[in-house]
Amino acid sequence: DTAVSQTPKYLVTQMGNDKSIKCEQNLGHDTMYWYKQDSKKFLKIMFSYNNKELIINETVPNRFSPKSPDKAHLNLHINSLELGDSAVYFCASSQMGTGNTIYFGEGSWLTVV
Amino acid sequence: SQQGEEDPQALSIQEGENATMNCSYKTSINNLQWYRQNSGRGLVHLILIRSNEREKHSGRLRVTLDTSKKSSSLLITASRAADTASYFCATDASKNQGGKLIFGQGTELSVKP
Repeated sequence: DTAVSQTPKYLVTQMGNDKSIKCEQNLGHDTMYWYKQDSKKFLKIMFSYNNKELIINETVPNRFSPKSPDKAHLNLHINSLELGDSAVYFCASSQMGTGNTIYFGEGSWLTVV
Repeated sequence: SQQGEEDPQALSIQEGENATMNCSYKTSINNLQWYRQNSGRGLVHLILIRSNEREKHSGRLRVTLDTSKKSSSLLITASRAADTASYFCATDASKNQGGKLIFGQGTELSVKP
């Protein structure tokens, strides 16, 4: 059983388009994240939600909008895609108060052309 | 700003040899974690060491933490070809027991059969 699953795994789209990436976790965790990994493998947090409430919002363009309909889901919508948005986006989850060990999804490879 | 820096950036060894990776960080931490990322996959948690611990073992993994030097090392003993992956350290410096992890840029380990 997949613990953190995200779809789609691969996404190729044109500049200016709007796209969404969906994420679900079945671990019963109360905290979910979106991380971005660039071509140099640098991994940077974008957003974090705890019990559907936004708790971390790093300096991310407002074209990126996360939505958490419930504790088990955290989706990422990106408007007006730019070439620089090409990266791997990882969804992750953890349970607060347990040392913050994070469980990652397999990633969504976004290519903007 | 980036919290963790890893050294070396790349490491190539023969099967059976030991691999040592180092991580330095800048601020006080609650804990430090090591993750592995196989090519094209998500990150997998390996081991967590708390700020009041100095050494921890898990199978062939040995992690040390020196809070006075703000550094940690990951030792993989008797390496195998299957250990080929990128290894990341991540620090939890959040005030509560949850929140964001800040990742280093990783060490790319290649184990040759």
